[in-house]
Amino acid sequence: DAKTTQPTSMDCAEGRAANLPCNHSTISGNEYVYWYRQIHSQGPQYIIHGLKNNETNEMASLIITEDRKSSTLILPHATLRDTAVYYCIVRGDGGSQGNLIFGKGTKLSVKP
Amino acid sequence: DTEVTQTPKHLVMGMTNKKSLKCEQHMGHRAMYWYKQKAKKPPELMFVYSYEKLSINESVPSRFSPECPNSSLLNLHLHALQPEDSALYLCASSQVQGSGPQHFGDGTRLSIL
Repeated sequence: DAKTTQPTSMDCAEGRAANLPCNHSTISGNEYVYWYRQIHSQGPQYIIHGLKNNETNEMASLIITEDRKSSTLILPHATLRDTAVYYCIVRGDGGSQGNLIFGKGTKLSVKP
Repeated sequence: DTEVTQTPKHLVMGMTNKKSLKCEQHMGHRAMYWYKQKAKKPPELMFVYSYEKLSINESVPSRFSPECPNSSLLNLHLHALQPEDSALYLCASSQVQGSGPQHFGDGTRLSIL
């Protein structure tokens, strides 16, 4: 079973920041938080991952709370092409511990 | 554009047919994965190959037979499938098993008549 809880759906206005929350209250000390997204009719796309510290790349920022029980993915300036299902996944590192177990994700709709 | 290439993009087959799905990556990754995704559901792991050897089989029926001929190629052989096997089949790869990002192809959409 997925170790995360995400809202089923969210809306965001084009050009505004999209903040997608994820709860992972049972996360272990050596488990990472990964974010993927899946645009309609495409395969999942890796976005970002982190362990303890906040992370930023060209696509998004990941904010992890100090107790690591929740995190937020931030898309700073959402566009219509960011409309997708966003998956927050907690996984270990290496072997079967690193399996990706997808939950239901959050369907983000970016509106003009 | 995806760095993992899957062919064909669409496949329609009867329950008695034999067909194969193909997946290719040239990123030097040594782990490759098959996932199954039913409509409006998340992807589910089927098989994992690590260094061309089968590492994980998530209790998949034997009518699905994976094969890893070399480090760049992954096949999924299909035989005597059922209508409920209709789904999107996704291939992914990563540098090593279970570590770091996985890169996904865009899948093969399979329909069983």
